[in-house]
Amino acid sequence: EVQLVESGGGLVQPGGSLRLSCAASGFTFSDHYMDWVRQAPGKGLEWVGRTRNKAKGYTTEYAASVKGRFSISIDESKNSLYLQMNSLKAEDTAVYYCARHYDSSGDPRKGGIDVWGQGTMVAVSS
Amino acid sequence: DIQLTQSPSFLSASVGDRVTITCRASQGISSYVVWYLQKPGKAPKLLIYAASTLQSGVPSRFSGSGSGTEFTLTISSLQPEDFATYYCQQLNSYPLTFGGGTKVEIK
Repeated sequence: EVQLVESGGGLVQPGGSLRLSCAASGFTFSDHYMDWVRQAPGKGLEWVGRTRNKAKGYTTEYAASVKGRFSISIDESKNSLYLQMNSLKAEDTAVYYCARHYDSSGDPRKGGIDVWGQGTMVAVSS
Repeated sequence: DIQLTQSPSFLSASVGDRVTITCRASQGISSYVVWYLQKPGKAPKLLIYAASTLQSGVPSRFSGSGSGTEFTLTISSLQPEDFATYYCQQLNSYPLTFGGGTKVEIK
């Protein structure tokens, strides 16, 4: 079964750090682009960042709101994706989803997120 | 950054109704649009990618169209399980962005 399971969420003070983990199973992890998407309470979806697949060197992209504070990394040996979050702000409070990007054509623009984790809650508050 | 504006933001409809949701981009994005459905407390679900390609397993009552700056998601006959919030997303350029969402509720 294709599955993504996030962990690592919790309550953190403003200015603090947190690392989210996402364990993947049931598919060849290194073949896929992987995204982090968040959703603040009662709000819409916000794309946080992406790592391209192994063939593209696991290069990354970030939303402006998190660039310089968040970083995405991969551990192939553990089939895991990570989101390191530093200098956290109250506005980073959200459910964070790990997500697999799918495309059948080889062009990531012609695809979408077909597998989502269950989400992990991050609350930034003093 | 490319802004996506969905309309309406809220829609009240009955089972069996035909429903259309619009997503307008602030600049041309070819056909690089994705549509998702989200129910409360759940992760989103992929419905349509590349503006008009139905994801495997998604009922054929869902369809998508458009290119450039204007896109539509149509549900031909609304079913009880379709009451949810719908989001569009553009994949044309970074940063990737989502529309604000359209909540479809029961009339």
